[in-house]
Amino acid sequence: QVQLQESGPGLVKPSQTLSLTCTVSGGSISSGSYYWSWIRQPAGKGLEWIGRIYTSGSTNYNPSLKSRVTISADTSKNQFSLKLSSVTAADTAVYYCARVYSSGSYIHWFDPWGQGNLVTVSS
Amino acid sequence: SYELTQPPSVSVSPGQTARITCSADALPKQYAYWYQQKPGQAPVLVIYKDSERPSGIPERFSGSSSGTTVTLTISGVQAEDEADYYCQTADSSGTYVVFGGGTKLTVL
Repeated sequence: QVQLQESGPGLVKPSQTLSLTCTVSGGSISSGSYYWSWIRQPAGKGLEWIGRIYTSGSTNYNPSLKSRVTISADTSKNQFSLKLSSVTAADTAVYYCARVYSSGSYIHWFDPWGQGNLVTVSS
Repeated sequence: SYELTQPPSVSVSPGQTARITCSADALPKQYAYWYQQKPGQAPVLVIYKDSERPSGIPERFSGSSSGTTVTLTISGVQAEDEADYYCQTADSSGTYVVFGGGTKLTVL
């Protein structure tokens, strides 16, 4: 079965760029009609969708984050990545990657999810 | 923007039925999905397409839809069901994702 694992620094300084990678095992990110997505959750708060990518390179981002977000994929490594620029303390959160079930380009649900990676923005 | 509204908390005693609602602020309502999140863990899908249950999810979890409101029902609640529950949908174009604010289910 497909499993996802986030990796990356747990501490990022303000104004710098947050970078995370999601490694997919048990299946290819290039197969099937799946998108791949990032979601975050500040401590004690709800879930916020960041964006998604199809391995063709097609992406969609949350409008509230669009100016600072880039999601990319490396099919040779079976990974996809998140970059969030100009971070502030408000970007401190657990960041999850997840597989997205879709009908064509229509987003449906997320399953499975990675275990999450806590990123703290602090000097 | 499209919004989903959930009650912040629901409390039930073991063996009772818990109902968690999720209201959309506009029509048409798209399919809704439900996730269970226990402390320190990633969310887990428990209902998809309003009322379908993934394999491995207990039969006591069910979903329904009426108008712009979807409901997650947990029949015969067990202590292990205590968790946060989130509903999720997409906007009318299917391009952007919306999550509800989450509901904390407490088993008394």
